[in-house]
Amino acid sequence: DSGVTQTPKHLITATGQRVTLRCSPRSGDLSVYWYQQSLDQGLQFLIQYYNGEERAKGNILERFSAQQFPDLHSELNLSSLELGDSALYFCASSSLLYNEQFFGPGTRLTVL
Amino acid sequence: GQQLNQSPQSMFIQEGEDVSMNCTSSSIFNTWLWYKQEPGEGPVLLIALYKAGELTSNGRLTAQFGITRKDSFLNISASIPSDVGIYFCAGRETSGSRLTFGEGTQLTVNP
Repeated sequence: DSGVTQTPKHLITATGQRVTLRCSPRSGDLSVYWYQQSLDQGLQFLIQYYNGEERAKGNILERFSAQQFPDLHSELNLSSLELGDSALYFCASSSLLYNEQFFGPGTRLTVL
Repeated sequence: GQQLNQSPQSMFIQEGEDVSMNCTSSSIFNTWLWYKQEPGEGPVLLIALYKAGELTSNGRLTAQFGITRKDSFLNISASIPSDVGIYFCAGRETSGSRLTFGEGTQLTVNP
């Protein structure tokens, strides 16, 4: 158990809908990262927050947004969902900006 | 953007054999991390490397940070069935905080 929690574990929804994925970092970690992993693919970096501020952005679609709250948990919002958005979404956290990242168990999103 | 090439893509070995996989980048990295992912689970950190030339072990796993700072390798000795999974390398450039991941090496161990 990495100490990073993600909810929900599974999510099934329809095209055009909006969903919110939630992540709680390890106790004391200030930085949160979001990744997307499509079937048989590697991990694609989406976005990073550090102590509530956006720090780095990867290939995140405009339909996707995220935020980190004062209690350091983070949410990833996915809107106008398409079939191709079906994937595993992982959250990771690290204590500072340049330390190793610890991953949560992921949320499996299925868009029908 | 930077490229991170991981090889081999897959390996099929017999229990007891040693395994070696590596990653190369087009950029200089100041951090190399190795993760293992099992089906339906999140990646688990195996080894972290922060200095060129560094050689670090974690049980039967050994990883090295290449001298050129553009490559890293992971060795697994005396493989066992529970070593099955996908192994990912990840690197961080000097100037940034984000990690770039390799495409993964799928390891299958036959008992």
